Amino acid sequence: GDQVEQSPSALSLHEGTGSALRCNFTTTMRAVQWFRKNSRGSLINLFYLASGTKENGRLKSAFDSKERYSTLHIRDAQLEDSGTYFCAAEGTGNYKYVFGAGTRLKVIA
Amino acid sequence: EAAVTQSPRNKVAVTGGKVTLSCNQTNNHNNMYWYRQDTGHGLRLIHYSYGAGSTEKGDIPDGYKASRPSQENFSLILELATPSQTSVYFCASGRQGSTEQFFGPGTRLTVL
Repeated sequence: GDQVEQSPSALSLHEGTGSALRCNFTTTMRAVQWFRKNSRGSLINLFYLASGTKENGRLKSAFDSKERYSTLHIRDAQLEDSGTYFCAAEGTGNYKYVFGAGTRLKVIA
Repeated sequence: EAAVTQSPRNKVAVTGGKVTLSCNQTNNHNNMYWYRQDTGHGLRLIHYSYGAGSTEKGDIPDGYKASRPSQENFSLILELATPSQTSVYFCASGRQGSTEQFFGPGTRLTVL
């Protein structure tokens, strides 16, 4: 079935630095959504993309359906950015998601 | 005001007992979903619904039932809870014809 490979599985960043998270897909996906699970356990919507790029503050996401990947860039990381980041993608056209396993991000002072 | 709410937020159940997790959404979305999320894994789809009266099996439906009595409400039912069902459960809603989903705050279930 459709698979989503998310990397890295864990990441530590110093405040003020940045990095990129990535999801690779085994098949062509129609859309991708990125979430952050915060310290309270809630899932926060970050981006929903059917193509191209979106930016919101210090976060930027890109989705390339043809090349089968999506990225989430974080710049100027802050302590409150810590959490687990998930990507989810729709592959089979039935409005169901396949989730990546998540990236545990820890921002340290 | 939160558009997708779940109750209870925390639940401790005994093996063999019946557990009902409730989800309510005020988005007027047709689609609703139940997932579980375990440490080191992404969310996995248990059941979903395209509207009132409909339920569909997701990727891991065994041991779970679902009920969609109305547009707003979607319940997940564990008739005979087992320790392997200890997890965090998320409900989500989405518009018809769209994949984008909006999640509730999650329910932490512990089955002893």
